[in-house]
Amino acid sequence: TQLLEQSPQFLSIQEGENLTVYCNSSSVFSSLQWYRQEPGEGPVLLVTVVTGGEVKKLKRLTFQFGDARKDSSLHITAAQPGDTGLYLCAGVVGSGTYKYIFGTGTRLKVLA
Amino acid sequence: DAGITQSPRYKITETGRQVTLMCHQTWSHSYMFWYRQDLGHGLRLIYYSAAADITDKGEVPDGYVVSRSKTENFPLTLESATRSQTSVYFCASSESSSLTVETQYFGPGTRLLVL
Repeated sequence: TQLLEQSPQFLSIQEGENLTVYCNSSSVFSSLQWYRQEPGEGPVLLVTVVTGGEVKKLKRLTFQFGDARKDSSLHITAAQPGDTGLYLCAGVVGSGTYKYIFGTGTRLKVLA
Repeated sequence: DAGITQSPRYKITETGRQVTLMCHQTWSHSYMFWYRQDLGHGLRLIYYSAAADITDKGEVPDGYVVSRSKTENFPLTLESATRSQTSVYFCASSESSSLTVETQYFGPGTRLLVL
């Protein structure tokens, strides 16, 4: 069974601080996605990375795909209360498959 | 634009009863998925469907049945509910084509409690 481990599991920080969330696996992924989920709702896609070493920026969020395509990180600069939520990474192993494997999630709380 | 909807949003049932969770999407997406979300496990794929009348098992299919007679609907049935099936169930859909980088659009979820 392929696993995607996320760390930390929980994170509570003050507004304005920076943070990094990690997503690690022993498997190689053809692509990896990051989602954010708010209470009572389904996950919403933030970004997709497909190339080893790829870096994507979405305002204050920076996403990186590891060179070997086994890991990824999400860095948030100057966190705001609106960033509060559950962050999930999801990977696809191989091509021609729709079997996404989701990480266990990182629950972030940003205090005003 | 309704998007993707799930019903019911909340359901309480008893062990051994049959329960059907409904999922409807208005985009005519080819692919649809059912996941369950439990603490410590993240989202786990139960079943998915590539098109009407085409379904395949995911990571945790035991105890569940799906059907897809129409593109827009993808019901999930628990044939004989067990307490271990207490969970939050999410339906999702995505367009077809380039496969590995498609966006999945999730419904709001159904919270199921099996007593």
